[in-house]
Amino acid sequence: DIQMTQSPSSLSASIGDRITITCRSSQHIGTHLNWYQQKPRKAPKILINAASSLQSGVPPRFSGSGSGTDFTLTISNLQTEDFATYYCQQSYSTRLTFGGGTKVEI
Amino acid sequence: EVQLVESGGRLVRPGGSLRLSCAASGFSFSSNSMNWVRQAPGKGPEWVSHITPTSSTIYYAHSVKGRFTISRDNAKNTLYLQMSSLRVEDTAIYYCVSSMSDFRSGSNWLDPWGQGTLVTVSS
Repeated sequence: DIQMTQSPSSLSASIGDRITITCRSSQHIGTHLNWYQQKPRKAPKILINAASSLQSGVPPRFSGSGSGTDFTLTISNLQTEDFATYYCQQSYSTRLTFGGGTKVEI
Repeated sequence: EVQLVESGGRLVRPGGSLRLSCAASGFSFSSNSMNWVRQAPGKGPEWVSHITPTSSTIYYAHSVKGRFTISRDNAKNTLYLQMSSLRVEDTAIYYCVSSMSDFRSGSNWLDPWGQGTLVTVSS
């Protein structure tokens, strides 16, 4: 199975900050990379698909980039509602796999 | 409104069996591939199984293959997960999730998700 490694596992930030989360795959996956946001006691919610395609309704302060094995999720001008855990997920293989998550805390 | 509502989760003994159900509404269930994704307490999501619209193709995670069976009833807009030989490590919230695709880019992703049902395997 394709292993997905996220870093950092957690980070502290302030309102208005710009943060970057990194995701690395154990093999080349093109741009078959998705990002999800999960808040406590809620199901994950899709933010970005195909590495950089923003889902409808997701604020433009979220952006994604990368291809091959290295990907990033950037949140500019961090807002209160952005404090959550973020997961990357590869859809290159039929056996989908997720990263370990990055918890963004105040 | 698109809705996925899971049910069937409960406390079960190791070695026991359980069937989860997911009732879908608000979208064309019979046209969508579906998945079960689980999340153990304090851990990240783990994909469990995938089934195509006509049930012609099914995939399982290595951790559940041979013990879990995914199925669907398109007439009832319902997805199922039959779980047997349950282990303590199967304890998790189980989510029913639809697959979405963009055929132009070949991209696919998981959306929407149900609210989840808790399965606890413990003696």
